[in-house]
Amino acid sequence: ILNVEQSPQSLHVQEGDSTNFTCSFPSSNFYALHWYRWETAKSPEALFVMTLNGDEKKKGRISATLNTKEGYSYLYIKGSQPEDSATYLCALPNEKLTFGTGTRLTIIP
Amino acid sequence: GAGVSQSPRYKVAKRGQDVALRCDPISGHVSLFWYQQALGQGPEFLTYFQNEAQLDKSGLPSDRFFAERPEGSVSTLKIQRTQQEDSAVYLCASSFGEGASGNTIYFGEGSWLTVV
Repeated sequence: ILNVEQSPQSLHVQEGDSTNFTCSFPSSNFYALHWYRWETAKSPEALFVMTLNGDEKKKGRISATLNTKEGYSYLYIKGSQPEDSATYLCALPNEKLTFGTGTRLTIIP
Repeated sequence: GAGVSQSPRYKVAKRGQDVALRCDPISGHVSLFWYQQALGQGPEFLTYFQNEAQLDKSGLPSDRFFAERPEGSVSTLKIQRTQQEDSAVYLCASSFGEGASGNTIYFGEGSWLTVV
């Protein structure tokens, strides 16, 4: 069983502050890591696909880094806005996607 | 539609009732996945289809859960004799290629099941 963990489980951040959270995974047999943003009552939205050790990807105010040797990825949000409130999920794509438990982010106006 | 479509979006079932959840994947997508997300948890894998073949059903929690994709397109997840612990969001996803590796996965908006 693939063990994908995310921390923290939930997070409250003041609007305008920056924040980050973690996805941990087994470093052996790594293929890729996906990050998704899931707003309530909507489809999970793909943010990034990370494949190479040292990868750093950016999409607007959101960025992600990857360390495959130690088995973790960080997601950063700069200057949080209320629309960033969502659950952020990481997943490993083996034959099926294996998800972490998610980080529920709430931005306080 | 262009995306993965799920119905019903919301379902309230009485305990013991049978429910059927439908997924319309993107046309031409070979792979179809079902996930269950309970409150406070990440999505948990239920089952995977490649065309009409159910290649993995290891995540189905009990024999009350049954999924089919008879013509390799639309899929139905059926839950018999629903229990309160079945209350969850049921997510369907599809991809053009085989499996999840190396493929872009597209999700539906989920079917929210509440068993009372």
